[in-house]
Amino acid sequence: QQPVQSPQAVILREGEDAVINCSSSKALYSVHWYRQKHGEAPVFLMILLKGGEQKGHEKISASFNEKKQQSSLYLTASQLSYSGTYFCGTAYNNNDMRFGAGTRLTVKP
Amino acid sequence: EAQVTQNPRYLITVTGKKLTVTCSQNMNHEYMSWYRQDPGLGLRQIYYSMNVEVTDKGDVPEGYKVSRKEKRNFPLILESPSPNQTSLYFCASSFTGTLYEQYFGPGTRLTVT
Repeated sequence: QQPVQSPQAVILREGEDAVINCSSSKALYSVHWYRQKHGEAPVFLMILLKGGEQKGHEKISASFNEKKQQSSLYLTASQLSYSGTYFCGTAYNNNDMRFGAGTRLTVKP
Repeated sequence: EAQVTQNPRYLITVTGKKLTVTCSQNMNHEYMSWYRQDPGLGLRQIYYSMNVEVTDKGDVPEGYKVSRKEKRNFPLILESPSPNQTSLYFCASSFTGTLYEQYFGPGTRLTVT
């Protein structure tokens, strides 16, 4: 039931774009995205609910395709501060969460 | 300051010696959860609680116990720790359920020898 994230790792230069995907085999109730920097706790980025909505947060946005049970995180014009590991969290009801294995993003100058 | 606190932050113990990791939140959140994080596996949910006296198993509950006697506290208990429970543990809370963002504590690094 753990969602599948891809890619596992990505290296970018400042200003480049990236897409991180999250797929589930079950119908989704909500999708969360978090970023974790080394040695720190995960920090919330955004949450998407059923309905195929897209959300934005500065230059980071996400989409949720309910029919395909997929979500994608879009990072545009990446900055050094975007480096970290990104996790999608999927919920199939209001109770339990399942997180993907993470995508390690490295942004180089 | 709104926060989730965990104690201890680091713990080294021996197999079989009972331990408790405390978790407390000051945001009046109903939902609290424990996760363990292992390299390559991401965050895996151990137990969660929808409210006081309401707890349920997550993905990997074996070897762990929890209790929720007060809204703000959600301790994680390892009755007889084993080396395979060596991990980084995070407590998290949210307003209610999975429709709201989760706030994570700073983490507890546990080593069982």
